[in-house]
Amino acid sequence: KAGVTQTPRYLIKTRGQQVTLSCSPISGHRSVSWYQQTPGQGLQFLFEYFSETQRNKGNFPGRFSGRQFSNSRSEMNVSTLELGDSALYLCASSSRTGNTGELFFGEGSRLTVL
Amino acid sequence: SQQGEEDPQALSIQEGENATMNCSYKTSINNLQWYRQNSGRGLVHLILIRSNEREKHSGRLRVTLDTSKKSSSLLITASRAADTASYFCATDPVQTGANNLFFGTGTRLTVIP
Repeated sequence: KAGVTQTPRYLIKTRGQQVTLSCSPISGHRSVSWYQQTPGQGLQFLFEYFSETQRNKGNFPGRFSGRQFSNSRSEMNVSTLELGDSALYLCASSSRTGNTGELFFGEGSRLTVL
Repeated sequence: SQQGEEDPQALSIQEGENATMNCSYKTSINNLQWYRQNSGRGLVHLILIRSNEREKHSGRLRVTLDTSKKSSSLLITASRAADTASYFCATDPVQTGANNLFFGTGTRLTVIP
């Protein structure tokens, strides 16, 4: 069974631009979560989608948004990029619908904002 | 912040020795999980311990959980060079939504061959 796939793996943007990151979950997993990892703040929860609905959202500004498609693939978008948005963005999928079980993470998309 | 704290921040040991990492957290939890991350890569799930469990084993891993002290420890026995990685605890708090984990600050483990 294929793992969680994230694209692109690396990207460089400039301040003010926007970026879209993609995540394909493990087949059959309907929950997709997004996390941001930075040296200063560590791993922080962005949002979680289940069956095309955002169920939870972390404490990030409205510039961070996401969506999920009917095939469970998910995208996240960051608009008006700031230098502080440079991070490793990790997507995770889960087969659980209730309490959190094991999350399966992708390799991440490393975003550099210049 | 509900983020956990781990100690030590960094740990360096010889191959064959045991490695112990500790995690403290702040809120009531459904479960606590441990993940491993090789440099710049994704996280790999190691073990999950539920709030009503006190100890769990998986291969060379042993996890303990003390909910009264809000703390957990991860023991890796007979360490190998391939165990070199960062290790994170993650809590599933009772009053947050599904799949919203709060990660600790991580312990960077170096196993010297």
